[in-house]
Amino acid sequence: DAGVIQSPRHEVTEMGQEVTLRCKPISGHDYLFWYRQTMMRGLELLIYFNNNVPIDDSGMPEDRFSAKMPNASFSTLKIQPSEPRDSAVYFCASRKGTSRGEQFFGPGTRLTVL
Amino acid sequence: AQKITQTQPGMFVQEKEAVTLDCTYDTSDQSYGLFWYKQPSSGEMIFLIYQGSYDEQNATEGRYSLNFQKARKSANLVISASQLGDSAMYFCAMRAYQKVTFGTGTKLQVIP
Repeated sequence: DAGVIQSPRHEVTEMGQEVTLRCKPISGHDYLFWYRQTMMRGLELLIYFNNNVPIDDSGMPEDRFSAKMPNASFSTLKIQPSEPRDSAVYFCASRKGTSRGEQFFGPGTRLTVL
Repeated sequence: AQKITQTQPGMFVQEKEAVTLDCTYDTSDQSYGLFWYKQPSSGEMIFLIYQGSYDEQNATEGRYSLNFQKARKSANLVISASQLGDSAMYFCAMRAYQKVTFGTGTKLQVIP
């Protein structure tokens, strides 16, 4: 089975540009999580979905960030406009609601905002 | 609020020796899960082991075992017979309901 798929793997953009990160969870998983990892703040939960519905977005840093999950096999995290402090590795993870709770992570997207 | 504390920023271990990575947690929830993840230099997050708060026995997965001491709120990871490929960052995490909180990680380096 394929794991969590994220694209792109690397993104370099200029300040002010819109950035869209994409995630395909593992088939059959009904929870999807977006995390951000930086040296300063570690691994932070941004938002998570259950059955495509956003449940908790309290970790989204500000209105420049938005996330959607239009169907069970696709989610996006959008930053508009991007700023240099958004530079980080963004992970998507998924899990099955009936499991013990372990999340399976995608390979991450390394975002650099110049 | 949940909190995970990993007090060892970095650790060294000789190849083939065992090593313990410390993790303490704080939560008011009665039902929770504890996890360890490995993050090698390539960046991916790899799930290693799980312990439920009601599990009476310590979890084991191959060379990994979780030393769960509920009264002390600790969930230390023990890696036996360290290998060079074990060099990585290790994160302790706790799940209560659906939210997962991660610790700051411990960088383990295995010395030949």
